[in-house]
Amino acid sequence: GENVEQHPSTLSVQEGDSAVIKCTYSDSASNYFPWYKQELGKGPQLIIDIRSNVGEKKDQRIAVTLNKTAKHFSLHITETQPEDSAVYFCAARHNYGQNFVFGPGTRLSVLP
Amino acid sequence: ETGVTQTPRHLVMGMTNKKSLKCEQHLGHNAMYWYKQSAKKPLELMFVYNFKEQTENNSVPSRFSPECPNSSHLFLHLHTLQPEDSALYLCASSPQGLAGGSSYEQYFGPGTRLTVT
Repeated sequence: GENVEQHPSTLSVQEGDSAVIKCTYSDSASNYFPWYKQELGKGPQLIIDIRSNVGEKKDQRIAVTLNKTAKHFSLHITETQPEDSAVYFCAARHNYGQNFVFGPGTRLSVLP
Repeated sequence: ETGVTQTPRHLVMGMTNKKSLKCEQHLGHNAMYWYKQSAKKPLELMFVYNFKEQTENNSVPSRFSPECPNSSHLFLHLHTLQPEDSALYLCASSPQGLAGGSSYEQYFGPGTRLTVT
């Protein structure tokens, strides 16, 4: 079955700097890769996703890149702000199933 | 109400109690999920319902019993739980439950924080 790894487990950056979180997956049949942000006391919120037919996707300060050959994808946050502080989860899903496999999460702290 | 809602938001129960968690989605989705989120662990998929039919039971103990009366509502019935079952229980839904679907987005509710004493 699919296995998703995520690094780093914790990340601290200064406000205004960039943050990068990386995930790897094992099942080459996976073709959908979402990223979730979870703030304290809330459920995970979908912030950006990418499908396997695209190499990069951007939404304002957030971008995701996908390398299908290497089976890894990354979340990039530019110009970080204190409100970006949260736990971020990556996930993978393949076309012949409906279940998502999640990474263990990265706790991002943006220091003012 | 919009999105995915869950009630109650917090629940404290004894090991001999019976309680139920409720989830409702207002997104017109066909698939609904229960996840368990424990501290320092990845999200654990518990159950999947696709067009009201259970399609996944991820080796969950029988003290957790799901119910999906329609595509908009999902329940998790709890009975004789253990302290290690204390966790955040998250409900989620996605538009396309069938394999090979074109729409994969999954949306989560706020969760029920369960404490078993």
